[in-house]
Amino acid sequence: AQSVAQPEDQVNVAEGNPLTVKCTYSVSGNPYLFWYVQYPNRGLQFLLKYITGDNLVKGSYGFEAEFNKSQTSFHLKKPSALVSDSALYFCAVRPSSGNTPLVFGKGTRLSVIA
Amino acid sequence: GAVVSQHPSRVICKSGTSVKIECRSLDFQATTMFWYRQFPKQSLMLMATSNEGSKATYEQGVEKDKFLINHASLTLSTLTVTSAHPEDSSFYICSAERAPRAFFGQGTRLTVV
Repeated sequence: AQSVAQPEDQVNVAEGNPLTVKCTYSVSGNPYLFWYVQYPNRGLQFLLKYITGDNLVKGSYGFEAEFNKSQTSFHLKKPSALVSDSALYFCAVRPSSGNTPLVFGKGTRLSVIA
Repeated sequence: GAVVSQHPSRVICKSGTSVKIECRSLDFQATTMFWYRQFPKQSLMLMATSNEGSKATYEQGVEKDKFLINHASLTLSTLTVTSAHPEDSSFYICSAERAPRAFFGQGTRLTVV
C-alpha cells in the first residue's frame, strides 16, 4: 500500500528566505508525485507533479520539487518565500499503473513571516 | 486546465435532514471521481470512489447508507449526506480524474446544527 509522510506539521520561514517542505513516500512501482496547496475553506490547488523525466520539477508560483528515487523523497522548495505563500501544503502519491486515488500526507502548515 | 465545480460551497442544515453536494467536471469527462472528507487541521480522508454507471466503492468505516453517491453521467457525481448529525459537520472535497492528474472541487463546508 502506498503512503506519504510529511514529517513537519509546521514550517516557519522569514520572508525572502528559501523554504523547504519535506515529503517522503512509499509506493509499489513507479510513483506519480504531486504537491497541492490549500487556503482556508478552499479546495486544493495544484502546484506541480512528477511523472517522469527530469528529477527537478518546476511548478506554479515559483515552487519546485526534486524527485529523489534513492531517498524516496519529493521535497517542495522555493528560493524566496512570500507572505502570501502561507498556507497548508499537501504531498500526494499514486502508483503509475491503475486508476487509484491519490494518497495524501497529513499536510504541513507553512507560515512566512514578514 | 481542467475545471471541477463543486456546489454548494457552504451549507448549514438541521439535524436529521439530508444534504446533496454536486461535483461537476466542466470541460472534460470523468469516469472516476473521488470524494474526500477533511477534518479541521487534518489531511484528506478518502471516503469513496465514484464510477460512472456503477456503484460507488466505499472505504472501510464509511457508511454507504449514510453517504449516498451517485455518478449518473460522465460529468456529474453527487454525494448525499442522509439524516445528517452534528458529527457529520466537515469539509467535503471531490476530485475528478483526468490522468495522470486529479482536479479538485472548491470544497463544501457542511455544518449540521
